Amino acid sequence: AQSVTQLDSHVSVSEGTPVLLRCNYSSSYSPSLFWYVQHPNKGLQLLLKYTSAATLVKGINGFEAEFKKSETSFHLTKPSAHMSDAAEYFCAFLPLDNAGNMLTFGGGTRLMVKP
Amino acid sequence: KAGVTQTPRYLIKTRGQQVTLSCSPISGHRSVSWYQQTPGQGLQFLFEYFSETQRNKGNFPGRFSGRQFSNSRSEMNVSTLELGDSALYLCASRIYMNTEAFFGQGTRLTVV
Repeated sequence: AQSVTQLDSHVSVSEGTPVLLRCNYSSSYSPSLFWYVQHPNKGLQLLLKYTSAATLVKGINGFEAEFKKSETSFHLTKPSAHMSDAAEYFCAFLPLDNAGNMLTFGGGTRLMVKP
Repeated sequence: KAGVTQTPRYLIKTRGQQVTLSCSPISGHRSVSWYQQTPGQGLQFLFEYFSETQRNKGNFPGRFSGRQFSNSRSEMNVSTLELGDSALYLCASRIYMNTEAFFGQGTRLTVV
């Protein structure tokens, strides 16, 4: 069975400071990994994805994530937080070589940005 | 290209009633998944359909059911509604089952 753990349920940063949202996965399958963002009462929007190409992935709105196989991690970063980044963020895992191909989500991290 | 469309956006139902939610995937996408999102339980997977067949199922009671039509549109039905069914129901579509998912805006269901 696979699982995704987002290590922080809440993260608070000041505007203009770096953002780090942590995600670890557990699976015996090769991964495809994703970060999604959700603003209040909206659906999830895809921020970026890792699909076994470059380990450093750039996404929308200045976010990027690095896949580290040895650490089974896929942490999301942004150099400088903006007020509009305040939202909930979800990490997701997809096994590439499993016929079930079920997308598994972490519990989410709520990012708060202080002015 | 139109995104994933969910209807209705908001719904208020009474306990004991049933409800049907609709999802139209992105054109060309053959997989549709449904999720329930609540403040207490987070994002929970309900089921996934691909080419009209249910391929994966989450741990929900039989009151929750779904189906997918030949045009890939999907419906989700909840019978005998309970207060605890109040949630944001999200639909997501994928081209194939080994690709990323794209989400709709959700249907906010309130059971009173």
